[in-house]
Amino acid sequence: GAGVSQSPSNKVTEKGKDVELRCDPISGHTALYWYRQSLGQGLEFLIYFQGNSAPDKSGLPSDRFSAERTGGSVSTLTIQRTQQEDSAVYLCASSLGNQVNEQFFGPGTRLTVL
Amino acid sequence: DQQVKQNSPSLSVQEGRISILNCDYTNSMFDYFLWYKKYPAEGPTFLISISSIKDKNEDGRFTVFLNKSAKHLSLHIVPSQPGDSAVYFCAASAVDQAGTALIFGKGTTLSVSS
Repeated sequence: GAGVSQSPSNKVTEKGKDVELRCDPISGHTALYWYRQSLGQGLEFLIYFQGNSAPDKSGLPSDRFSAERTGGSVSTLTIQRTQQEDSAVYLCASSLGNQVNEQFFGPGTRLTVL
Repeated sequence: DQQVKQNSPSLSVQEGRISILNCDYTNSMFDYFLWYKKYPAEGPTFLISISSIKDKNEDGRFTVFLNKSAKHLSLHIVPSQPGDSAVYFCAASAVDQAGTALIFGKGTTLSVSS
């Protein structure tokens, strides 16, 4: 497809379980971002990948959160030992990575931790 | 502390009238600003942007105004249409930090009635 895709669209899990969220960015986009939107909040930056550079992890809320980007394309966000406060919509975005910061967003994964 | 603030959580206007969405920022290093529109269950969609070297940018029914001295920007939609009903996010970044994450406000929900 032409846009950013994310899977699954919805994920319900039990507290303490691990989850993996996937993002397929737009082909050719070198920059990839993960954000999350909790209820009533704006988008909160989590992590940023640019090409082969070390990722900017400054937004990750705890060490239970990690992300990988394989081959400069697909990215996986992993949340270990999920907590109820992790419930949110997790959004992935990609951009050309140049100085124009227009980021293209995927539809998001709605995570619910029971 | 929030660096990008959208102080009005909601706005209601009638079809055909002007919608004005406001955004304030605190970080004087921000020099690139974007507006995104978000429908339920979809990712945010880029709408319009403005660089700090300008004070106005227009695209069809959408105009963004930037007042650097007041650290304030606004999005004008005229005439408003029912299809404009969505959540509007203001976002900011520093252009000289290419590809860095956007800082988002909490959003304003616009409702346009016919």
